[in-house]
Amino acid sequence: NAGVTQTPKFRILKIGQSMTLQCTQDMNHNYMYWYRQDPGMGLKLIYYSVGAGITDKGEVPNGYNVSRSTTEDFPLRLELAAPSQTSVYFCASRPSLAGAGELFFGEGSRLTVL
Amino acid sequence: GNSVTQMEGPVTLSEEAFLTINCTYTATGYPSLFWYVQYPGEGLQLLLKATKADDKGSNKGFEATYRKETTSFHLEKGSVQVSDSAVYFCALAISSGSARQLTFGSGTQLTVLP
Repeated sequence: NAGVTQTPKFRILKIGQSMTLQCTQDMNHNYMYWYRQDPGMGLKLIYYSVGAGITDKGEVPNGYNVSRSTTEDFPLRLELAAPSQTSVYFCASRPSLAGAGELFFGEGSRLTVL
Repeated sequence: GNSVTQMEGPVTLSEEAFLTINCTYTATGYPSLFWYVQYPGEGLQLLLKATKADDKGSNKGFEATYRKETTSFHLEKGSVQVSDSAVYFCALAISSGSARQLTFGSGTQLTVLP
Protein backbone atom coordinates (compact mmCIF):
# COMPACT_ATOMS: atom_id res chain seq x y z
CA ASN A 1 0.00 0.00 0.00
CA ALA A 2 3.02 2.31 -0.49
CA GLY A 3 1.80 4.69 -3.22
CA VAL A 4 4.27 7.57 -3.69
CA THR A 5 7.30 7.46 -1.38
CA GLN A 6 9.68 10.37 -0.86
CA THR A 7 13.00 10.44 0.95
CA PRO A 8 14.34 12.12 2.96
CA LYS A 9 11.48 13.71 4.91
CA PHE A 10 13.70 16.41 6.35
CA ARG A 11 17.09 17.79 5.36
CA ILE A 12 19.22 20.79 6.20
CA LEU A 13 21.76 21.93 3.60
CA LYS A 14 24.43 24.56 3.60
CA ILE A 15 24.54 27.10 0.80
CA GLY A 16 26.33 25.62 -2.21
CA GLN A 17 25.80 21.99 -1.26
CA SER A 18 24.02 19.57 -3.58
CA MET A 19 21.55 16.80 -2.88
CA THR A 20 18.98 14.53 -4.46
CA LEU A 21 15.40 14.10 -3.33
CA GLN A 22 14.20 10.61 -4.09
CA CYS A 23 10.71 9.74 -5.31
CA THR A 24 9.38 6.30 -6.16
CA GLN A 25 5.88 5.06 -6.93
CA ASP A 26 4.58 1.51 -7.12
CA MET A 27 1.35 2.18 -9.04
CA ASN A 28 2.87 1.92 -12.53
CA HIS A 29 1.93 5.53 -13.26
CA ASN A 30 3.41 7.10 -16.36
CA TYR A 31 3.10 10.74 -15.25
CA MET A 32 5.24 12.02 -12.41
CA TYR A 33 5.75 15.53 -11.04
CA TRP A 34 7.80 17.59 -8.63
CA TYR A 35 6.21 20.56 -6.87
CA ARG A 36 7.44 22.98 -4.28
CA GLN A 37 5.23 24.54 -1.65
CA ASP A 38 6.28 27.79 -0.03
CA PRO A 39 4.50 29.17 3.07
CA GLY A 40 1.16 30.74 2.19
CA MET A 41 1.57 29.89 -1.45
CA GLY A 42 0.08 27.30 -3.73
CA LEU A 43 2.13 24.54 -5.24
CA LYS A 44 4.48 25.44 -8.05
CA LEU A 45 5.46 22.85 -10.65
CA ILE A 46 9.22 22.33 -10.97
CA TYR A 47 9.54 19.46 -13.46
CA TYR A 48 7.38 16.70 -14.77
CA SER A 49 7.70 13.49 -16.77
CA VAL A 50 5.23 11.67 -19.00
CA GLY A 51 7.20 8.43 -19.04
CA ALA A 52 10.62 6.86 -18.70
CA GLY A 53 13.22 8.88 -20.58
CA ILE A 54 10.99 11.95 -21.02
CA THR A 55 11.12 15.02 -18.79
CA ASP A 56 10.08 18.64 -19.18
CA LYS A 57 10.31 21.90 -17.28
CA GLY A 58 7.47 23.29 -15.23
CA GLU A 59 6.95 26.78 -13.88
CA VAL A 60 10.03 27.07 -11.64
CA PRO A 61 12.81 24.75 -12.94
CA ASN A 62 15.87 26.93 -12.29
CA GLY A 63 18.36 25.36 -9.89
CA TYR A 64 16.94 21.85 -10.29
CA ASN A 65 17.44 18.83 -12.51
CA VAL A 66 15.56 15.58 -12.94
CA SER A 67 15.92 12.23 -14.61
CA ARG A 68 13.49 9.41 -15.34
CA SER A 69 15.31 6.20 -16.13
CA THR A 70 12.49 3.93 -14.91
CA THR A 71 8.72 4.21 -14.60
CA GLU A 72 8.98 3.97 -10.81
CA ASP A 73 11.64 6.57 -9.97
CA PHE A 74 11.81 10.32 -10.49
CA PRO A 75 14.66 11.90 -8.48
CA LEU A 76 15.04 15.67 -8.14
CA ARG A 77 18.58 17.03 -8.00
CA LEU A 78 19.45 20.36 -6.37
CA GLU A 79 22.77 21.75 -7.48
CA LEU A 80 24.44 24.58 -5.52
CA ALA A 81 21.67 24.96 -2.96
CA ALA A 82 20.48 28.50 -2.21
CA PRO A 83 18.28 29.87 0.62
CA SER A 84 15.54 30.50 -1.96
CA GLN A 85 15.23 26.72 -2.32
CA THR A 86 14.08 26.36 1.28
CA SER A 87 10.67 24.81 0.81
CA VAL A 88 8.58 21.68 1.09
CA TYR A 89 8.89 19.48 -1.97
CA PHE A 90 6.16 17.14 -3.12
CA CYS A 91 6.37 14.36 -5.64
CA ALA A 92 3.16 13.24 -7.33
CA SER A 93 2.04 10.77 -9.97
CA ARG A 94 -0.97 9.83 -12.04
CA PRO A 95 -1.87 7.18 -14.58
CA SER A 96 -2.07 8.29 -18.21
CA LEU A 97 -5.82 7.90 -18.45
CA ALA A 98 -6.65 10.00 -15.41
CA GLY A 99 -7.47 13.68 -15.82
CA ALA A 100 -4.68 16.19 -15.44
CA GLY A 101 -5.79 17.15 -11.94
CA GLU A 102 -6.16 13.74 -10.30
CA LEU A 103 -2.77 13.32 -8.71
CA PHE A 104 -1.41 11.03 -6.00
CA PHE A 105 1.04 12.85 -3.71
CA GLY A 106 3.88 11.75 -1.51
CA GLU A 107 4.17 13.03 2.06
CA GLY A 108 6.68 15.71 1.20
CA SER A 109 10.33 16.53 1.87
CA ARG A 110 11.10 19.59 3.98
CA LEU A 111 14.35 21.20 2.89
CA THR A 112 16.10 24.04 4.69
CA VAL A 113 19.10 25.80 3.14
CA LEU A 114 21.20 27.82 5.58
CA GLY B 1 -3.28 32.79 -18.03
CA ASN B 2 -4.97 30.49 -15.55
CA SER B 3 -5.26 31.36 -11.88
CA VAL B 4 -7.08 30.30 -8.72
CA THR B 5 -7.95 32.62 -5.86
CA GLN B 6 -8.94 31.24 -2.46
CA MET B 7 -10.23 33.03 0.58
CA GLU B 8 -7.58 34.06 3.04
CA GLY B 9 -7.09 31.91 6.08
CA PRO B 10 -6.75 30.73 8.66
CA VAL B 11 -10.33 29.76 9.37
CA THR B 12 -11.26 28.61 12.88
CA LEU B 13 -14.64 27.01 13.58
CA SER B 14 -16.31 25.14 16.37
CA GLU B 15 -17.30 21.53 15.86
CA GLU B 16 -20.63 21.14 13.99
CA ALA B 17 -20.39 24.63 12.47
CA PHE B 18 -21.07 25.26 8.78
CA LEU B 19 -18.04 25.65 6.55
CA THR B 20 -17.58 27.65 3.38
CA ILE B 21 -14.21 28.17 1.71
CA ASN B 22 -14.44 30.43 -1.31
CA CYS B 23 -12.64 29.70 -4.54
CA THR B 24 -12.79 31.63 -7.79
CA TYR B 25 -10.85 31.02 -10.95
CA THR B 26 -9.70 32.55 -14.20
CA ALA B 27 -9.11 30.20 -17.07
CA THR B 28 -8.87 30.01 -20.81
CA GLY B 29 -10.95 27.17 -22.16
CA TYR B 30 -13.11 24.89 -20.05
CA PRO B 31 -11.36 23.78 -16.88
CA SER B 32 -11.97 20.89 -14.55
CA LEU B 33 -12.02 21.98 -10.92
CA PHE B 34 -10.70 20.21 -7.86
CA TRP B 35 -10.42 20.46 -4.12
CA TYR B 36 -7.43 18.86 -2.46
CA VAL B 37 -6.94 18.41 1.28
CA GLN B 38 -3.63 18.25 3.16
CA TYR B 39 -3.77 16.83 6.67
CA PRO B 40 -0.92 17.69 9.05
CA GLY B 41 2.31 15.98 8.06
CA GLU B 42 0.83 14.41 4.95
CA GLY B 43 0.75 14.99 1.21
CA LEU B 44 -2.22 16.36 -0.65
CA GLN B 45 -5.21 14.12 -1.32
CA LEU B 46 -7.91 14.66 -3.89
CA LEU B 47 -11.12 15.48 -2.01
CA LEU B 48 -13.58 16.10 -4.83
CA LYS B 49 -13.81 17.26 -8.42
CA ALA B 50 -16.17 18.63 -11.05
CA THR B 51 -15.49 18.49 -14.75
CA LYS B 52 -18.18 20.72 -16.26
CA ALA B 53 -20.49 23.60 -15.44
CA ASP B 54 -23.22 22.86 -12.85
CA ASP B 55 -21.56 19.61 -11.79
CA LYS B 56 -21.48 19.04 -8.05
CA GLY B 57 -18.55 17.20 -6.57
CA SER B 58 -18.99 15.58 -3.18
CA ASN B 59 -17.03 13.43 -0.76
CA LYS B 60 -16.88 12.90 3.02
CA GLY B 61 -19.73 15.38 3.56
CA PHE B 62 -17.99 18.11 1.54
CA GLU B 63 -19.60 19.56 -1.56
CA ALA B 64 -18.67 22.06 -4.26
CA THR B 65 -20.62 23.17 -7.32
CA TYR B 66 -18.98 24.30 -10.53
CA ARG B 67 -20.52 27.72 -11.29
CA LYS B 68 -19.45 28.94 -14.68
CA GLU B 69 -21.43 32.19 -14.48
CA THR B 70 -19.56 33.29 -11.33
CA THR B 71 -16.34 31.34 -12.11
CA SER B 72 -16.51 29.82 -8.65
CA PHE B 73 -16.12 26.45 -6.94
CA HIS B 74 -16.78 27.10 -3.26
CA LEU B 75 -16.26 24.26 -0.79
CA GLU B 76 -19.00 23.63 1.78
CA LYS B 77 -19.72 21.26 4.62
CA GLY B 78 -22.78 21.37 6.81
CA SER B 79 -21.19 20.21 10.06
CA VAL B 80 -17.44 20.15 10.48
CA GLN B 81 -15.55 17.82 12.78
CA VAL B 82 -12.22 18.19 14.55
CA SER B 83 -10.82 15.64 12.09
CA ASP B 84 -11.51 18.08 9.22
CA SER B 85 -8.70 20.33 10.45
CA ALA B 86 -6.37 20.59 7.47
CA VAL B 87 -5.27 22.83 4.63
CA TYR B 88 -7.64 22.92 1.65
CA PHE B 89 -6.45 23.73 -1.87
CA CYS B 90 -8.60 24.65 -4.82
CA ALA B 91 -7.13 23.77 -8.22
CA LEU B 92 -7.99 23.78 -11.88
CA ALA B 93 -6.86 21.82 -14.90
CA ILE B 94 -7.54 22.38 -18.56
CA SER B 95 -8.67 18.99 -19.90
CA SER B 96 -6.23 16.12 -19.76
CA GLY B 97 -2.69 16.38 -20.96
CA SER B 98 0.26 18.42 -19.84
CA ALA B 99 1.00 18.87 -16.17
CA ARG B 100 1.63 22.53 -16.89
CA GLN B 101 -2.11 22.98 -16.96
CA LEU B 102 -2.75 22.17 -13.27
CA THR B 103 -2.92 25.39 -11.25
CA PHE B 104 -3.31 25.54 -7.44
CA GLY B 105 -4.65 28.21 -5.17
CA SER B 106 -2.64 29.27 -2.13
CA GLY B 107 -4.52 27.06 0.32
CA THR B 108 -6.81 27.77 3.28
CA GLN B 109 -5.93 26.52 6.74
CA LEU B 110 -8.98 25.20 8.64
CA THR B 111 -8.90 24.52 12.37
CA VAL B 112 -11.94 22.96 14.04
CA LEU B 113 -12.16 23.25 17.80
CA PRO B 114 -14.02 20.74 19.98
